[in-house]
Amino acid sequence: SQQGEEDPQALSIQEGENATMNCSYKTSINNLQWYRQNSGRGLVHLILIRSNEREKHSGRLRVTLDTSKKSSSLLITASRAADTASYFCATPSSFQGAQKLVFGQGTRLTINP
Amino acid sequence: DAGITQSPRHKVTETGTPVTLRCHQTENHRYMYWYRQDPGHGLRLIHYSYGVKDTDKGEVSDGYSVSRSKTEDFLLTLESATSSQTSVYFCAIVDRDTDTQYFGPGTRLTVL
Repeated sequence: SQQGEEDPQALSIQEGENATMNCSYKTSINNLQWYRQNSGRGLVHLILIRSNEREKHSGRLRVTLDTSKKSSSLLITASRAADTASYFCATPSSFQGAQKLVFGQGTRLTINP
Repeated sequence: DAGITQSPRHKVTETGTPVTLRCHQTENHRYMYWYRQDPGHGLRLIHYSYGVKDTDKGEVSDGYSVSRSKTEDFLLTLESATSSQTSVYFCAIVDRDTDTQYFGPGTRLTVL
């Protein structure tokens, strides 16, 4: 089952612009994590935001969380060509005592020079 | 990267052959996971481990087995590989201090 749904599925912007990606989820969570994946590469952890936090910053990244709407957003400011990647939100889900992550399908971000 | 390595990074094998993928971590994390990533399916949990010799099945465990004889190593075995197991396999650990899950670099497996 898919917990996180990213929107849009694809986003293409010019270098220097800001990029915003959204994630919606279905059940209550205690945290939400964002990952980046470059084409053919592994998943890089970007940021974790807890359910009692509304906003969190890390460098050019800003993540918000609205638990009443079950949604999160990832903002990348002053985008660079190196930001071209797929971005995933992931929420924890209890699976037979283990905590697995449930990923959305991702937003494919392209930064045009 | 939380000190996670996977080997091999790429493998091509034939249907019916056994394959073992290795995940190695250097930071003594208790929980380790194997996921597979496929287009249209995202990441799906295959097996996980919550300690040495303690493992359990995930969502898509058919055709896979795992072993964990040491804290640092979590092995994923395909007893008899099939073409449907062509995928990218990721190992992950959970840092329980931060609840953050970190992933290894992945293994791209092709079963012909």
